[in-house]
Amino acid sequence: SQQGEEDPQALSIQEGENATMNCSYKTSINNLQWYRQNSGRGLVHLILIRSNEREKHSGRLRVTLDTSKKSSSLLITASRAADTASYFCATDATGGYQKVTFGTGTKLQVIP
Amino acid sequence: GAVVSQHPSRVICKSGTSVKIECRSLDFQATTMFWYRQFPKQSLMLMATSNEGSKATYEQGVEKDKFLINHASLTLSTLTVTSAHPEDSSFYICSGSTKETQYFGPGTRLLVL
Repeated sequence: SQQGEEDPQALSIQEGENATMNCSYKTSINNLQWYRQNSGRGLVHLILIRSNEREKHSGRLRVTLDTSKKSSSLLITASRAADTASYFCATDATGGYQKVTFGTGTKLQVIP
Repeated sequence: GAVVSQHPSRVICKSGTSVKIECRSLDFQATTMFWYRQFPKQSLMLMATSNEGSKATYEQGVEKDKFLINHASLTLSTLTVTSAHPEDSSFYICSGSTKETQYFGPGTRLLVL
């Protein structure tokens, strides 16, 4: 089974609104990463949050991590049509930034 | 950030033939590279972990004789799909690992007719 599961599976919002995606995982982790994938394309690394961090910001992105609940959230503020993509969380449980396990993904559609 | 390339980006082949996909780290040395497969509308599934100069470690359910992986140098890993069948049609993505994170290639779309 997937280490990470995102919800919602699909999200459709209007441009300018905020988008929140959640990721839950099962085992202890050393870090959690969020990636974006445009349809049929490769992955773009968005942000990495370590297990001892609770919140991290990067531009319009805000990531939170709650290790007690084994969950993370990705917030995209003031969304743009170009944010339309699938978003995946990936967890690294080995401590060496090596093998990561991907979640099921959230497909975000931002309507202009 | 670090760049990983894949070649080819798209390949169509006949059933029974073999296809080789190259993964290169262009501006960093990747002692470890990973190969993933992604079916339509699904997540990435790790196929194997490739360490330079040693045999790849395959995930459960992945046939090592069908998916041959070679990691000959710190900047190149290859995946060969042998005797390809239509069910092997998928999006194959590689990544190169640094101490900080993994950097992913753009992917190779394989279609087996």
